[in-house]
Amino acid sequence: DTEVTQTPKHLVMGMTNKKSLKCEQHMGHRAMYWYKQKAKKPPELMFVYSYEKLSINESVPSRFSPECPNSSLLNLHLHALQPEDSALYLCASSQVSAGGQSYTFGSGTRLTVV
Amino acid sequence: GEDVEQSLFLSVREGDSSVINCTYTDSSSTYLYWYKQEPGAGLQLLTYIFSNMDMKQDQRLTVLLNKKDKHLSLRIADTQTGDSAIYFCAEYTTGTASKLTFGTGTRLQVTL
Repeated sequence: DTEVTQTPKHLVMGMTNKKSLKCEQHMGHRAMYWYKQKAKKPPELMFVYSYEKLSINESVPSRFSPECPNSSLLNLHLHALQPEDSALYLCASSQVSAGGQSYTFGSGTRLTVV
Repeated sequence: GEDVEQSLFLSVREGDSSVINCTYTDSSSTYLYWYKQEPGAGLQLLTYIFSNMDMKQDQRLTVLLNKKDKHLSLRIADTQTGDSAIYFCAEYTTGTASKLTFGTGTRLQVTL
């Protein structure tokens, strides 16, 4: 298995809803990442997990809450989002050391906040 | 610094070659990538180059890396209408944690 699987592919949520995005990989990668991409802009790093521990939080608002329950799964819990949070959310994984060759992106979850 | 810059737009005629340029500032980058993104779609990895290489060729794609000038380019030979998309370069750096930093993106328009 050489893929990163993200679910759901599309999500529409209200500003008072709580939802979660899910990311899964079975490549044995111990680094996992969340990126946010607005239309026609480059992806921006949000969080990095290394060996299931949060190693980078790029000053992301607390309404986004990441979780890495095990080495194959990465979740992003969403609560009280704003319409400007509508974007494509990309998950990626890689080996921790010399991860450049193994960096793999999922196809993303397109989130719309209404 | 980790700024990665690209020109915003490039227009070429079908059948011509396209050259998309990228400049970066972090000399510790170990890998540099080119991704393609079509409207409404996710990222498609086109190719990557290790920092100790200066050229890599893969079918219609040629990547050139000038590490001294921190300049990366992607040449697409015989450009087709299906190549119309946004192209992002990205650099992989290690430090507190490894991560990819993306360039600003170049929109390639292929005309008949």
